[in-house]
Amino acid sequence: QQQVKQSPQSLIVQKGGISIINCAYENTAFDYFPWYQQFPGKGPALLIAIRPDVSEKKEGRFTISFNKSAKQFSLHIMDSQPGDSATYFCAATEETSGSRLTFGEGTQLTVNP
Amino acid sequence: NAGVMQNPRHLVRRRGQEARLRCSPMKGHSHVYWYRQLPEEGLKFMVYLQKENIIDESGMPKERFSAEFPKEGPSILRIQQVVRGDSAAYFCASSPVLGVQPQHFGDGTRLSIL
Repeated sequence: QQQVKQSPQSLIVQKGGISIINCAYENTAFDYFPWYQQFPGKGPALLIAIRPDVSEKKEGRFTISFNKSAKQFSLHIMDSQPGDSATYFCAATEETSGSRLTFGEGTQLTVNP
Repeated sequence: NAGVMQNPRHLVRRRGQEARLRCSPMKGHSHVYWYRQLPEEGLKFMVYLQKENIIDESGMPKERFSAEFPKEGPSILRIQQVVRGDSAAYFCASSPVLGVQPQHFGDGTRLSIL
C-alpha cells in the first residue's frame, strides 16, 4: 500500500513536444505529491508539487494533473527542450506523519533536438 | 541542491570495511532523511532523524547499518562490514521542522564496494 507506480520507464520526445509521465498510488493517506528532476551525478531537485485539494497546478512549462478518485497524478512538460533530458521521479508522503517520501521508479526522459 | 552538503562524494571500500557517510543539512534545518538509490531504481527511504533522536528507522536494514545526528556536527550514516550489495548512491535530505515539505536533497555519496 506504500508503493507509487510510475510509467513509462523511459520516454523520448522531440523538441517542442509534450512529455507526459504518470504515477499511481494506493495509500489514501498520502497528502503531498512532489515531482523531482535528477541529472546524472546529482541529487533530486524539487520541480513542482501538489496537494490533493486541487486538481491541477502549473508552474511555467510544468503542470501536475491530480485525480484523487483514481489515485493518479501526472506531470506534463510543455514545449520540451533538450535541457529537460533527465530522470524524473514522482513521490508521495503523509505530511503529518513524519514525511518519509515514497518514490516511483523513475522515468528517463530524452528530448531530441 | 544548494545547501545540503554530503561528503565524500565518492567512497570506495573493500568488502568487510566500514563506510561513513556524512550529511550537513541546510542552514536552519533540524531534520535529516537518508535515502538509498540502487542503479536504475528510485530512491528508497532508510531513516529519519532529528538532532539527537531517531524518528523513523523503518527503512534501515536490521544489521550493519546505523545512523546518528548529534547535537553538534553532521548526520552520519554508518555501514559496517560492507558487502557488494551496499554499492549504491546514498542521498541525504533535510527539512526545517517535523512534517514540513519539501525536502531538499544533497548530491549524494556514491559508494562502491570492491
